[in-house]
Amino acid sequence: QVTLRESGPALVKPTQTLTLTCTFSGFSLNTSEMCVNWIRQPPGKALEWLARIDWDDDKYYSTSLRTRLTISKATSKNQVVLTVTNVDPVDTATYYCARSTVTYYNAMDVWGQGTTVTVSS
Amino acid sequence: YVLTQPPSVSVAPGKTAVITCGGDNIENYSVHWYQKKPGQAPLLVIFYDSDRPSGIPERFSGSSSGNTATLTISRVEAGDEADYYCQVWSSSADHAVFGGGTQLTVL
Repeated sequence: QVTLRESGPALVKPTQTLTLTCTFSGFSLNTSEMCVNWIRQPPGKALEWLARIDWDDDKYYSTSLRTRLTISKATSKNQVVLTVTNVDPVDTATYYCARSTVTYYNAMDVWGQGTTVTVSS
Repeated sequence: YVLTQPPSVSVAPGKTAVITCGGDNIENYSVHWYQKKPGQAPLLVIFYDSDRPSGIPERFSGSSSGNTATLTISRVEAGDEADYYCQVWSSSADHAVFGGGTQLTVL
């Protein structure tokens, strides 16, 4: 059974760096064509894709947030970490991680339950 | 790359709901659809335009042609009430794109 779980601070101050961790089980990022994505949803707004990291360590970022995002993996720990620098209240959102596979055309087939982050002083 | 969805669709129980997703030559992309209910994680309901993941009812179907992809939900039930999002991977820009979402209301 594939599961993912997000963790991180519930409250962050403006200008700080937000670090989120996705801990997964049931698959390995050592396996060819496996990928992990980060997506967020601000309150009352649409889903927004943020970043993706692949089994071969290729990384992809949202064009609009590229300069503020860093995605990395700790394969031995089955974890993927996303950092968001210089956060602002507009970064308040529920953050999700989700698996995708190249085989299935990068569809995000399993999602974590999400972690809610509020940016406020 | 921009995906355009109608903000809302309403349908009576037992009828058919049709949700569209517009994009330039979207037929050249693999379109995925997600169901999002409040307080829950998104759920993949259609991938690669028209394939259903295991466990998704046959009432959910998808298609894509020209500049429009379509999610069709037959025999709509109260439990189908949710926001639905289309999504593609833009190979030219190397990033994923979501549509703005469509709120499905079951009357």
